[in-house]
Amino acid sequence: KAGVTQTPRYLIKTRGQQVTLSCSPISGHRSVSWYQQTPGQGLQFLFEYFSETQRNKGNFPGRFSGRQFSNSRSEMNVSTLELGDSALYLCASSLLHPDTQYFGPGTRLTVL
Amino acid sequence: AQTVTQSQPEMSVQEAETVTLSCTYDTSESDYYLFWYKQPPSRQMILVIRQEAYKQQNATENRFSVNFQKAAKSFSLKISDSQLGDAAMYFCAYSTLYSGGGADGLTFGKGTHLIIQP
Repeated sequence: KAGVTQTPRYLIKTRGQQVTLSCSPISGHRSVSWYQQTPGQGLQFLFEYFSETQRNKGNFPGRFSGRQFSNSRSEMNVSTLELGDSALYLCASSLLHPDTQYFGPGTRLTVL
Repeated sequence: AQTVTQSQPEMSVQEAETVTLSCTYDTSESDYYLFWYKQPPSRQMILVIRQEAYKQQNATENRFSVNFQKAAKSFSLKISDSQLGDAAMYFCAYSTLYSGGGADGLTFGKGTHLIIQP
């Protein structure tokens, strides 16, 4: 069974732009969670979607948003990018909610 | 809110020896999951082992085992017969079992960088 996939793997943007990251979960998994990983803050939970509904949201500004489609694929969007948004963004999927989460390879976002 | 603490930023072990990574957590919940994840230089987060809090038996996966002390809120990972491929950052993580109500996904520790000496 294929693992979690994330696209793109690397992204370079400039301040003020917006970006959309994509995540395809393991087949059959209905829950998708997003995390931000930075050297300073470590791993922080962004939000979780289950059956197209946002179930939980971490402590991030409204510039960070997401959605989930009927095939469980998920996207996250960051608007008005700031330098501090430079990070590795990890997506994880699980069969149920809550359940063991399996991670994708991440998207490395650099904001210049 | 739950917190997870990994007090060892870095550990070093000789190949083929045993190493134990420490993790403590704080929660008011009685049921939850605990995990150890491994993140090698590729940055892919890989599940190592999972423990359900209601299970008294410690989880084991091949060379990896945990020592789960619920009363002490301690969850250490033992790696036996260390191999070069075990070199990575290891993260301890907590997951609530309660849906909604502002549950925060996985709560991670800061990680322990494990170095394997050949």
